[in-house]
Amino acid sequence: DAGITQSPRHKVTETGTPVTLRCHQTENHRYMYWYRQDPGHGLRLIHYSYGVKDTDKGEVSDGYSVSRSKTEDFLLTLESATSSQTSVYFCAISESAENTEAFFGQGTRLTVV
Amino acid sequence: SQQGEEDPQALSIQEGENATMNCSYKTSINNLQWYRQNSGRGLVHLILIRSNEREKHSGRLRVTLDTSKKSSSLLITASRAADTASYFCATDSNYQLIWGAGTKLIIKP
Repeated sequence: DAGITQSPRHKVTETGTPVTLRCHQTENHRYMYWYRQDPGHGLRLIHYSYGVKDTDKGEVSDGYSVSRSKTEDFLLTLESATSSQTSVYFCAISESAENTEAFFGQGTRLTVV
Repeated sequence: SQQGEEDPQALSIQEGENATMNCSYKTSINNLQWYRQNSGRGLVHLILIRSNEREKHSGRLRVTLDTSKKSSSLLITASRAADTASYFCATDSNYQLIWGAGTKLIIKP
């Protein structure tokens, strides 16, 4: 398995609180992605990074921010969690943006109450 | 927006039978990929087919791509209980992967 670790694996938080999810890779891949997975929607891209300090928005970026200060770490922050952000969050990595497979972490199940 | 849409949404077959899943997409692509997701786990890459390829094999998997119809199919031959999972297609667009909602495959013993 590709070396991708997401933490925490499960979290319950209250509406309005900030939450940070961490993705750590040991593969030295350039690209890192944060997705959310909800029933009936497949995976939707939140933000992605194409290098240290280089990030861009995905399809559903509102309410989320990211940071990548090191190649191996990609953080996803919910500044003020809402119930609509209850979801399973996946981190993925890839060597390049084209014609290569993505490797996924095990996911973080976030519940906002 | 969803680029790939899988069909059917769910499929239940007997062990040993073949399973076929389809994926349709909307825009031109560089490649199309298929992934498997076991319950509660992350996605695992199965196969990538480039836009200039028509068919690709990997073990019991066979993928076809018809760019004129903007569609792909994934065939799993001689299914096993361990093939029970959700299967997703993904297409690349502007350096991002766009995902369908998946096909849930159940293999009955």
